[in-house]
Amino acid sequence: GQSLEQPSEVTAVEGAIVQINCTYQTSGFYGLSWYQQHDGGAPTFLSYNALDGLEETGRFSSFLSRSDSYGYLLLQELQMKDSASYFCAALNQAGTALIFGKGTTLSVSS
Amino acid sequence: DTEVTQTPKHLVMGMTNKKSLKCEQHMGHRAMYWYKQKAKKPPELMFVYSYEKLSINESVPSRFSPECPNSSLLNLHLHALQPEDSALYLCASSQDSQLSYEQYFGPGTRLTVT
Repeated sequence: GQSLEQPSEVTAVEGAIVQINCTYQTSGFYGLSWYQQHDGGAPTFLSYNALDGLEETGRFSSFLSRSDSYGYLLLQELQMKDSASYFCAALNQAGTALIFGKGTTLSVSS
Repeated sequence: DTEVTQTPKHLVMGMTNKKSLKCEQHMGHRAMYWYKQKAKKPPELMFVYSYEKLSINESVPSRFSPECPNSSLLNLHLHALQPEDSALYLCASSQDSQLSYEQYFGPGTRLTVT
């Protein structure tokens, strides 16, 4: 089966950098996705890492280490609007559906 | 256009009612999904349609009945629901079921069962 572990809450101040970790145990692994969900909103796709290394998209970066079964989402120059839940997710063994981690609630204060 | 639309936004129904949730996408995606999400929890997969055929049913009770009339539309028919079925129901799509790591979600239908 699949399981993904991530911290339940992270707090930070505006302008800071925060890292949200995700460790996974999967019977088959294709890659790691990250989604953002604001309160009352829909999840939105942020990034996908299929290979080891860092992928950068503006203020957000995502990292994957297959050998360590570990990834993280790095958010730089934090803004109040980054306050949201962040989910890591991995495909099921057949590669046809996403399994989500329990989510990390990020609170950014001024 | 990267939009997935869902109607209605809110729905209150009694346990004896029959209602339907609707989802539409015009991105040419060939995989569509239904999720259930409770407060402070991750989305929980219910059904996957791939090329208009049901490919995954995550042991969902029969009071939830999905339908995919065409490649752009996805319905979820509800009948004899229980109060514990109250949740946010999210529809999503991806280009293909083999590319399901990148999904586009609709805004959801917030369902309350009384």
